[in-house]
Amino acid sequence: NAGVMQNPRHLVRRRGQEARLRCSPMKGHSHVYWYRQLPEEGLKFMVYLQKENIIDESGMPKERFSAEFPKEGPSILRIQQVVRGDSAAYFCASSPRQTINQPQHFGDGTRLSIL
Amino acid sequence: KQEVTQIPAALSVPEGENLVLNCSFTDSAIYNLQWFRQDPGKGLTSLLLIQSSQREQTSGRLNASLDKSSGRSTLYIAASQPGDSTTYLCASPVPFGSGTRLQVQP
Repeated sequence: NAGVMQNPRHLVRRRGQEARLRCSPMKGHSHVYWYRQLPEEGLKFMVYLQKENIIDESGMPKERFSAEFPKEGPSILRIQQVVRGDSAAYFCASSPRQTINQPQHFGDGTRLSIL
Repeated sequence: KQEVTQIPAALSVPEGENLVLNCSFTDSAIYNLQWFRQDPGKGLTSLLLIQSSQREQTSGRLNASLDKSSGRSTLYIAASQPGDSTTYLCASPVPFGSGTRLQVQP
């Protein structure tokens, strides 16, 4: 059973470009969480999605960031007009149901570098 | 708003020593608490999950406890090994603490 797959592992963008990060949850998991880890900081929650629904986006910056989890295909975290401060590691996690009683399983992350 | 704090931020111990990592949280109304390790350049590996109704969980040399009334969780590592050197994170499940970087010296 494959784990959570994130791609790309490394992504380099120039300021002003768009970044798209993909996350395929574990088989059978319908809940996806995105986290950001800035250099020298802990993980920070960004958004929690179920298929076709955003459940909690309280950690998402108000501008330039969006996330989706379509009925088919991976979850996408999209960052428009990237700036240097977006450089970070972005982690995705999945669980089969709401994480009250289920552990989250993490991908290896996407390391985004902004030139 | 839940806040999670981990102390110490960094720890260095000789091989074979037992050690305790601390995690404190401000809101006791948590559903569960999870401990992870984060190896450099890798994602997070779940170590232990404690449900809110549980007091502790054990896996091999690891034991995690949960005391909701005091807002604390501890991760106990017995007979530490160099392979235990990594960053340990706790989560309630969100937010995460900022981690404890452990270095076990052979």
